[in-house]
Amino acid sequence: DAKTTQPNSMESNEEEPVHLPCNHSTISGTDYIHWYRQLPSQGPEYVIHGLTSNVNNRMASLAIAEDRKSSTLILHRATLRDAAVYYCILSYAGGGADGLTFGKGTHLIIQP
Amino acid sequence: EAQVTQNPRYLITVTGKKLTVTCSQNMNHEYMSWYRQDPGLGLRQIYYSMNVEVTDKGDVPEGYKVSRKEKRNFPLILESPSPNQTSLYFCASSFRGTGGYSYNEQFFGPGTRLTVL
Repeated sequence: DAKTTQPNSMESNEEEPVHLPCNHSTISGTDYIHWYRQLPSQGPEYVIHGLTSNVNNRMASLAIAEDRKSSTLILHRATLRDAAVYYCILSYAGGGADGLTFGKGTHLIIQP
Repeated sequence: EAQVTQNPRYLITVTGKKLTVTCSQNMNHEYMSWYRQDPGLGLRQIYYSMNVEVTDKGDVPEGYKVSRKEKRNFPLILESPSPNQTSLYFCASSFRGTGGYSYNEQFFGPGTRLTVL
């Protein structure tokens, strides 16, 4: 799987938007971009995924650069509950049993 | 409630004493996986299963066994645990998509913290 690069940590204030960047310059044409997050003392949970177009769901938005070499996860209005490690992951087959390669992710800190 | 359950959640054992960590999902998922999470190394896949009686090695399978006799269960077996298997273990499951490969979110269990003395 192609590699992703994320900042080690980011800090934001509660009720403000958060933009979490991810660089994936070696992405292939069939790689999906996934975001998962891991809240303290919990297993990872799915946030969003996309291939080429921007995506929105109830949790977040995913903005994908036109050349697909980077993407941004957008939390529109962060809450304290959004404090977690956020993982940007590429996988040619999506989220199946061949597994997701988790890097170190971005530790998001939310200040009240 | 759709969920992946793991038992036990915490386990302290001694070197060489066989143990099994159970994983069960109630979502009728075809795919199931085991990961371990270690500080500085992130999550690494141990084994996965595409369906009943179909299993394959992930990135770090040494010292582990799995079985998939029923669709909902995917136990992780440590025949002779060693201290380097002290870790946080997660089970995950997902649907199998169309076109021969899966694109569906993975659902993770709450984790099992294993300490081998």
